[in-house]
Amino acid sequence: NAGVMQNPRHLVRRRGQEARLRCSPMKGHSHVYWYRQLPEEGLKFMVYLQKENIIDESGMPKERFSAEFPKEGPSILRIQQVVRGDSAAYFCASSPTQGDTEAFFGQGTRLTVV
Amino acid sequence: KNQVEQSPQSLIILEGKNCTLQCNYTVSPFSNLRWYKQDTGRGPVSLTIMTFSENTKSNGRYTATLDADTKQSSLHITASQLSDSASYICVVGHNDMRFGAGTRLTVKP
Repeated sequence: NAGVMQNPRHLVRRRGQEARLRCSPMKGHSHVYWYRQLPEEGLKFMVYLQKENIIDESGMPKERFSAEFPKEGPSILRIQQVVRGDSAAYFCASSPTQGDTEAFFGQGTRLTVV
Repeated sequence: KNQVEQSPQSLIILEGKNCTLQCNYTVSPFSNLRWYKQDTGRGPVSLTIMTFSENTKSNGRYTATLDADTKQSSLHITASQLSDSASYICVVGHNDMRFGAGTRLTVKP
């Protein structure tokens, strides 16, 4: 049973381009969480999704950021028209049920905007 | 205001020494509290998870305590090793997870 898989591990984008980050949860997990970690800072919640539904997106910037978790395939965090301030590590976690059980993290995607 | 506060922000200790990290939270309602270890450049890895009815949970040299009345938790690390150098993150969960900013621990030889 593979762990939470995120790809790519490293992503470089020029300002104005789009960034797509993928997260494949552990087998049997239907809950996915996305977090952003700026250099030297803690993890900040962005969005919580279940299959085909966004449950809580209170941590997502209102513009340029979107997330989905389709019935088939990985969860996608999309950042449009990236800016330098978007440079960060983006982590995904998955759990089999809501937040009352173990959540496992992926290794993260490090986005660098140049 | 962050609902999970950790202290100290950073800590440096010598190898072999013990240390205690603190976590205070105001999250309510509350189902569980977890401590994660995050090595630089890696994803967080769970150390302990406690429900509100548990007072203590151990995982090798790591022992977490929880006082649900005062809403405080601590993580005690015994006989520290160089590999313990990492960020330790307190996470309080109910319907979602609320993260503390973490304590950056450095163990020096």
